[in-house]
Amino acid sequence: DSGVTQTPKHLITATGQRVTLRCSPRSGDLSVYWYQQSLDQGLQFLIQYYNGEERAKGNILERFSAQQFPDLHSELNLSSLELGDSALYFCASSATPPTTETQYFGPGTRLLVL
Amino acid sequence: AQSVTQLDSQVPVFEEAPVELRCNYSSSVSVYLFWYVQYPNQGLQLLLKYLSGSTLVKGINGFEAEFNKSQTSFHLRKPSVHISDTAEYFCAVSDLKGTDKLIFGTGTRLQVFP
Repeated sequence: DSGVTQTPKHLITATGQRVTLRCSPRSGDLSVYWYQQSLDQGLQFLIQYYNGEERAKGNILERFSAQQFPDLHSELNLSSLELGDSALYFCASSATPPTTETQYFGPGTRLLVL
Repeated sequence: AQSVTQLDSQVPVFEEAPVELRCNYSSSVSVYLFWYVQYPNQGLQLLLKYLSGSTLVKGINGFEAEFNKSQTSFHLRKPSVHISDTAEYFCAVSDLKGTDKLIFGTGTRLQVFP
């Protein structure tokens, strides 16, 4: 158990819909990362927040957005969903931004868009 | 920009045999290197990381990896595998500029047979 929790574990929805994925980092970790794992794209970095502020952005679509709240939990919002958005979405956390800190991954949210 | 190549998508091996999972990276700047393992239906767990210093890095579960700068490689090895090592293994890099994001390879599926 990494200490990072993600809800829900599974999500099935239809094209065009909007969903919210939630992540609670390890106690004391200030940095949260979101990654997408799909069969065709592999594991891709989406976005990072540090202490409530966006710190780095990867290949995140404009239809996707995220935020980190004062209690440090984070939410990833996916809207106008397409079939290709079906993937496993991971959240990871680390204590501080420097890359020497290990990123601890949650169990993921499996999203299926029908 | 950095990239990671994992040359083998699948590696079958018998229990108690040695194994090497290959990873090559491309980067115009110095990088940190990581190996993560993903067991079925679980998140990613850090096996080991190279930041600086000794090029031979020892990790958890008896795994080790050697950083070779001239060959831009970071191959993962284990002298004797167990059935429980069956999993997906991901090599990843991040640059030293502090962008924090991990860039992953496509993964190698290690299948250990009795």
